[in-house]
Amino acid sequence: QKEVEQNSGPLSVPEGAIASLNCTYSDRGSQSFFWYRQYSGKSPELIMFIYSNGDKEDGRFTAQLNKASQYVSLLIRDSQPSDSATYLCAGANYGGSQGNLIFGKGTKLSVKP
Amino acid sequence: EPEVTQTPSHQVTQMGQEVILRCVPISNHLYFYWYRQILGQKVEFLVSFYNNEISEKSEIFDDQFSVERPDGSNFTLKIRSTKLEDSAMYFCASSRTGYEQYFGPGTRLTVT
Repeated sequence: QKEVEQNSGPLSVPEGAIASLNCTYSDRGSQSFFWYRQYSGKSPELIMFIYSNGDKEDGRFTAQLNKASQYVSLLIRDSQPSDSATYLCAGANYGGSQGNLIFGKGTKLSVKP
Repeated sequence: EPEVTQTPSHQVTQMGQEVILRCVPISNHLYFYWYRQILGQKVEFLVSFYNNEISEKSEIFDDQFSVERPDGSNFTLKIRSTKLEDSAMYFCASSRTGYEQYFGPGTRLTVT
């Protein structure tokens, strides 16, 4: 069974702090990983994706991937109240398919002003 | 910026009825997907579609479900005989490359 696990939170950080969100996955065939942000009652919004070991930075967001440990993380620098949402980690295995996404349950982030 | 659109935003139906959920993917995208999210649960893959045929489907996507691309812009999900447990948010997603997937706003399906 392919699983993506996330701590459901809530994770509470003060405004301006770094928020660290983590995810582990069971499928060693997963090749790419995606972070989506989902506001309550809304659809998932793609923030970042990563497919190589190491770090990938985009503005205030940094995604980290460690395939040996089957671990993915998302760092949000200078957190803002508008970052308060549920963050979904998803993995994709492209072997023989178009890479359907396996989602974790999400981590709820709350940024306090 | 182009977006995936979905209609209707909310559909209420009685158990046993057929429903069709509609999606307009981003115009130059080639890969299409349906996912669902039961309230309070994780987003689950239903089906992927490429080159006018189903690429992959999950265990959830049984004989009661079907997908169609009736023209060059629409992508539909049909549920033939709805059950109470089909109540969920249904998201359409599209991708130009088969990698990054962009989600529509969703259709909330309520089966009574």
